[in-house]
Amino acid sequence: GENVEQHPSTLSVQEGDSAVIKCTYSDSASNYFPWYKQELGKGPQLIIDIRSNVGEKKDQRIAVTLNKTAKHFSLHITETQPEDSAVYFCAAPPPGSGNTGKLIFGQGTTLQVKP
Amino acid sequence: EPEVTQTPSHQVTQMGQEVILRCVPISNHLYFYWYRQILGQKVEFLVSFYNNEISEKSEIFDDQFSVERPDGSNFTLKIRSTKLEDSAMYFCASGGSYGDQPQHFGDGTRLSIL
Repeated sequence: GENVEQHPSTLSVQEGDSAVIKCTYSDSASNYFPWYKQELGKGPQLIIDIRSNVGEKKDQRIAVTLNKTAKHFSLHITETQPEDSAVYFCAAPPPGSGNTGKLIFGQGTTLQVKP
Repeated sequence: EPEVTQTPSHQVTQMGQEVILRCVPISNHLYFYWYRQILGQKVEFLVSFYNNEISEKSEIFDDQFSVERPDGSNFTLKIRSTKLEDSAMYFCASGGSYGDQPQHFGDGTRLSIL
């Protein structure tokens, strides 16, 4: 089945610096890659997603890049702020899931932004 | 902005008892999901539901689990005879018209089995 590997598991940056989180996936047929932010006591919140027909997508300080050849996608957060501190999860659909919407999540990255 | 709502926020149940977790998905969404997250671990898929039937389920979703959309708004997860290992956060999510559309999550129900 699909295996989604996420790195690093923890990331600490100074406020204003950039943060990059990377995920690799195993199924070359995967075509949809969301990123979720989870704050303490809350559910995962979709922050950005990308489909396999584009290589990059931006939304203000957040961007996602996709390298289909290498089967990895990355979350980039620029000008980090303390409120960016949270756990970030990547996800991808497993092979053979058809149109069911099933997502396999990465292990999560705990991002700490130090003021 | 429309959101997915889940009740209760915390459920404490004796082992062996039945529990029902409730969700109100976003109103015009057609795909519904349950995921769970054991403390400190990643989010795991349990089941997807479309057109009033299960479209996919994981190995975790055994005969003790069932889902239902009893009316036009609620989506429920029932665990018939709870086990200690069922203790986790349970998240409901809903998505739009197709299975590969963005999924939006509720804030979860913390299930504690004693």
